[in-house]
Amino acid sequence: GAVVSQHPSRVICKSGTSVKIECRSLDFQATTMFWYRQFPKQSLMLMATSNEGSKATYEQGVEKDKFLINHASLTLSTLTVTSAHPEDSSFYICSVPDWGGNTIYFGEGSWLTVV
Amino acid sequence: DQQVKQNSPSLSVQEGRISILNCDYTNSMFDYFLWYKKYPAEGPTFLISISSIKDKNEDGRFTVFLNKSAKHLSLHIVPSQPGDSAVYFCAASKHLHPGTYKYIFGTGTRLKVLA
Repeated sequence: GAVVSQHPSRVICKSGTSVKIECRSLDFQATTMFWYRQFPKQSLMLMATSNEGSKATYEQGVEKDKFLINHASLTLSTLTVTSAHPEDSSFYICSVPDWGGNTIYFGEGSWLTVV
Repeated sequence: DQQVKQNSPSLSVQEGRISILNCDYTNSMFDYFLWYKKYPAEGPTFLISISSIKDKNEDGRFTVFLNKSAKHLSLHIVPSQPGDSAVYFCAASKHLHPGTYKYIFGTGTRLKVLA
């Protein structure tokens, strides 16, 4: 069964609004979760590392005020795209590492379309 | 700077033959490598991993080879099946100590297995 659940799988929002994507670890507690973004025909780009109980660590070039990450519990991390614009339209995926960090499990991904 | 590269964007193989997917990396500090398979609009699924202390890891039809001196790894699928048609990503990580790892992904190779 699924190890990581991501919701919603698809969302369409109007330009200027905010959208929240949830990532849940189903099988184990996760102090760390990762958020990725994938543009068509491109690689998975790591956006940020979500840390339970502390601030997220953002990769270079990722606007932390635009992509708000909250890791409020050991099983839930959320990514909020604030004041969304059409260029934010993309496939967003979260992942959770297992205890040893030897494997990371991905969520199903969320398609965001900003119109 | 693309630290993990998959130079072949696509590959076509006949059913029953061997598929060989290649991945090169530039950072000699990477010590753990993963291969993922991804279908369109879905999150990646883990296939196989290899640590830098090994040069080969096998799991059923999937074998990963690591050549540290060449900073190169490859995924062999034999025999290839039509259901293997997907995009394959390699990923590399530096396991400094638990909780601080993050994975860098290659750009992916689209494998098409012809029936």
